[in-house]
Amino acid sequence: QLQEAGPGLVKPSETLSLSCSVSGDSIRSSYFWGWIRQSPGKGLEWIGSVYYNGRTDYNPSLKRRIFMSVDMSKNQFSLNLTSVTAADTAIYFCVRDGRGETGFDTWGPGTQVTVSS
Amino acid sequence: DIQMTQSPSSLSASLGDSVTITCRASQGISNSLAWYQQRPGRAPQPLLFAISKLKTGVPSRFSGSGSGTKFTLTISSLQSEDVATYYCHQYYGSHSFGGGTKVEIK
Repeated sequence: QLQEAGPGLVKPSETLSLSCSVSGDSIRSSYFWGWIRQSPGKGLEWIGSVYYNGRTDYNPSLKRRIFMSVDMSKNQFSLNLTSVTAADTAIYFCVRDGRGETGFDTWGPGTQVTVSS
Repeated sequence: DIQMTQSPSSLSASLGDSVTITCRASQGISNSLAWYQQRPGRAPQPLLFAISKLKTGVPSRFSGSGSGTKFTLTISSLQSEDVATYYCHQYYGSHSFGGGTKVEIK
């Protein structure tokens, strides 16, 4: 199971920080761990994925604003998205990414993030 | 970028009907195609991966087919619990999703 955590409201130009707790699986497994967001205007959008050893794969359209990391001691991974604007308002889901095998085979329930002053 | 185009964007069918949703990729994606079901207020849940492989626990009335750039999701006998929005997802070149198909009961 996956569970997102983080602030529901972020001010424009600030950094959005979310974490995802993994239970029932080890973050050291052979999967990547990713983030997807959903907004009415843009549908489902993959943000990026991270492997437990720190290897990352980011959406090119967001790459310059994203940083993802893994905390093996907490069995968690996290997302930082810098310089947010209203366009970053969305529901953010953390996912288990099976890469070329199974797609996104496990999803967290999602967390609403609103960018507003 | 690989674009995924789903059709129709919405449909209404009777209980027991067979329903088909189509997804077209802007280029070949081999077998790197998954389908998800999203009920209102919930996260998307995987149904199939690798075009036609059913995720454990998913009812057998769901099936997938296709090749190259055209793929379909079929619900063989529509049930009330199938009311949801369905999305295709390619994971051949990075990741991209279709725009979704909203399924309702007539």
